[in-house]
Amino acid sequence: QKEVEQDPGPLSVPEGAIVSLNCTYSNSAFQYFMWYRQYSRKGPELLMYTYSSGNKEDGRFTAQVDKSSKYISLFIRDSQPSDSATYLCAMSVLYNNNDMRFGAGTRLTVKP
Amino acid sequence: NAGVTQTPKFRILKIGQSMTLQCTQDMNHNYMYWYRQDPGMGLKLIYYSVGAGITDKGEVPNGYNVSRSTTEDFPLRLELAAPSQTSVYFCASTPSGQGKSQPQHFGDGTRLSIL
Repeated sequence: QKEVEQDPGPLSVPEGAIVSLNCTYSNSAFQYFMWYRQYSRKGPELLMYTYSSGNKEDGRFTAQVDKSSKYISLFIRDSQPSDSATYLCAMSVLYNNNDMRFGAGTRLTVKP
Repeated sequence: NAGVTQTPKFRILKIGQSMTLQCTQDMNHNYMYWYRQDPGMGLKLIYYSVGAGITDKGEVPNGYNVSRSTTEDFPLRLELAAPSQTSVYFCASTPSGQGKSQPQHFGDGTRLSIL
């Protein structure tokens, strides 16, 4: 069993749709949870960062963490064609980045 | 502001050849990382460095070596290339390893094929 599971998709939605991206994990010690966006032929860029359980909102993006279920989500409201990318979840136990574990990524296409 | 720069962008190697993947950052970041990204597997940490002269192994270090003689540069060395090392390699940096809002800044990757 992988430490972090993420549905690879691909996921295709019409412009304006609400998108839900999810990851599950097995290590209950994970405390720091991140979502990265990766455009084709580019490096990942950090979208959202949350610590422990709860919700965090940033514009059209909302990150949710449910530690009791070992489940994290990223919601994108009013999705735009520019949101088309691969979304990676990542998580770590320690306060630094040296033990970070990444999901395989979900490929999202938003059609105009 | 260049950020993290990786060279080359693409490379094809023969089995047994060696090469160095270059990574340089101009943000004066202390921490630097090397990852590999394989289809369906996610990013895996190869090596990391917390400052000049200090390096340590990550999750998948076998077959690789690193050095960190300056704050700016963190090259990754493959000594005897094997087909299993075909991957996309990403270098990243952060100001330090700790802190709630310390995003990793990634380069655009080196696509390496070993035939």
